Amino acid sequence: GQSLEQPSEVTAVEGAIVQINCTYQTSGFYGLSWYQQHDGGAPTFLSYNGLDGLEETGRFSSFLSRSDSYGYLLLQELQMKDSASYFCAVLFTGGGNKLTFGTGTQLKVEL
Amino acid sequence: EAQVTQNPRYLITVTGKKLTVTCSQNMNHEYMSWYRQDPGLGLRQIYYSMNVEVTDKGDVPEGYKVSRKEKRNFPLILESPSPNQTSLYFCASSSVDRVFSPLHFGNGTRLTVT
Repeated sequence: GQSLEQPSEVTAVEGAIVQINCTYQTSGFYGLSWYQQHDGGAPTFLSYNGLDGLEETGRFSSFLSRSDSYGYLLLQELQMKDSASYFCAVLFTGGGNKLTFGTGTQLKVEL
Repeated sequence: EAQVTQNPRYLITVTGKKLTVTCSQNMNHEYMSWYRQDPGLGLRQIYYSMNVEVTDKGDVPEGYKVSRKEKRNFPLILESPSPNQTSLYFCASSSVDRVFSPLHFGNGTRLTVT
């Protein structure tokens, strides 16, 4: 089946840069998006890559390489408030409109 | 304020007692969807709807029903809840007027079935 894999947990210090990877197994999809979730609250949209390459939105950037079946979310100048879970998600082609999420990465930012 | 509203936020019920979780959005979105979130499994899609009277199964539809009689509302119905449906549920909506539109999520409903 189609699946998205993420590391379950990442820890980094305040002010640092962290990269959260998302690898997938599929032959086609429309794009890769990222969502942030604090403590079981409502997930909120962060970024979307429809094409290969880097998308930058403030301290957050996201990257996609379809040839490598891989994407990542890059968080710069980490702040304590960035401690949250991060999910990648794709809408696979040929699968109706079923949006598939990764299992999520819990980011812990330490002083 | 643009929002997706779910009710109730918390619900404790017993096996077999029918329940409905309501979801309403005020953004005139065509697309609405339900997800359940369980530890280590991420967000899994239960059902989705592309527009009024159009619904389809997601990845984990067993034991759930939905309806879309009005554009703004998309209730999730558990006809006979079981303990394995204890979970955190999210409703979400988005427009369909572009190749990609971000999902807007409700605040979640934490359901416990005993």
